[in-house]
Amino acid sequence: GIQVEQSPPDLILQEGANSTLRCNFSDSVNNLQWFHQNPWGQLINLFYIPSGTKQNGRLSATTVATERYSLLYISSSQTTDSGVYFCAVVSGGGADGLTFGKGTHLIIQP
Amino acid sequence: DAGITQSPRHKVTETGTPVTLRCHQTENHRYMYWYRQDPGHGLRLIHYSYGVKDTDKGEVSDGYSVSRSKTEDFLLTLESATSSQTSVYFCAISGLAGSSYEQYFGPGTRLTVT
Repeated sequence: GIQVEQSPPDLILQEGANSTLRCNFSDSVNNLQWFHQNPWGQLINLFYIPSGTKQNGRLSATTVATERYSLLYISSSQTTDSGVYFCAVVSGGGADGLTFGKGTHLIIQP
Repeated sequence: DAGITQSPRHKVTETGTPVTLRCHQTENHRYMYWYRQDPGHGLRLIHYSYGVKDTDKGEVSDGYSVSRSKTEDFLLTLESATSSQTSVYFCAISGLAGSSYEQYFGPGTRLTVT
C-alpha cells in the first residue's frame, strides 16, 4: 500500500515563529488532507488539497502531486497551534479510507 | 461541525467480552469509516462503508466486524475484546451529494480492555 512520511516528527518553536511541515507519499493520490489533532484529541480539518495551493488565515498548504509531496505552512505561530499535525491520503478510489502519516508533534512555547 | 456523534465516549471492558461502538451522523453522507489510533501511530483504517449494507475491510480489520443498516448509523463490534484492542476509535464520514470526498471525524471513543 501507499506509504506516507511526515517530517519533522517533532518541532518546538517560540510563539510568533513560522514553520513548514512536509508530507511525502509513495504513489499518486486522489485525496490529500491535513488535520490538526488538538491536545483534547479532536481531529480538525485544515485542508483538503489533492493538488495546488490553498490558504486559510495564517495557514497555507501546497501539494505538488507530480512530485509526491505536500507542505503545510504555519505563520506567526500561537500557543493554540500546538498539537499533532497529520497528513492523510487516498491512493485508490476517492471514497476509500485514508492512509495517515505518523504526524508532526508541534509545541509552541509562549 | 459535521454532525457526527460517537457512543459511548469512554468504555472499560474485560477481555473476552463483546463490545459495540456506535457512530451516528445527521448529515446524510454516503460513506462512513472506522479508524483506530494508537500511540506512535497515525490513524489506521479498520472498516468502511459505501452505503447501507455495503462494507469493506481496511488495513487492521482482524477481530472487528461492522454493520450499517441505516444511512445514519455505522456500528463497530469487537466480538471478543482483547487487550490489543485498547485504543481510541474514530468514526469518519464523507461523500455528501455534490461535495468532495473530504472526510470529517467524530470526537472518538476511548476503549480500554482489561
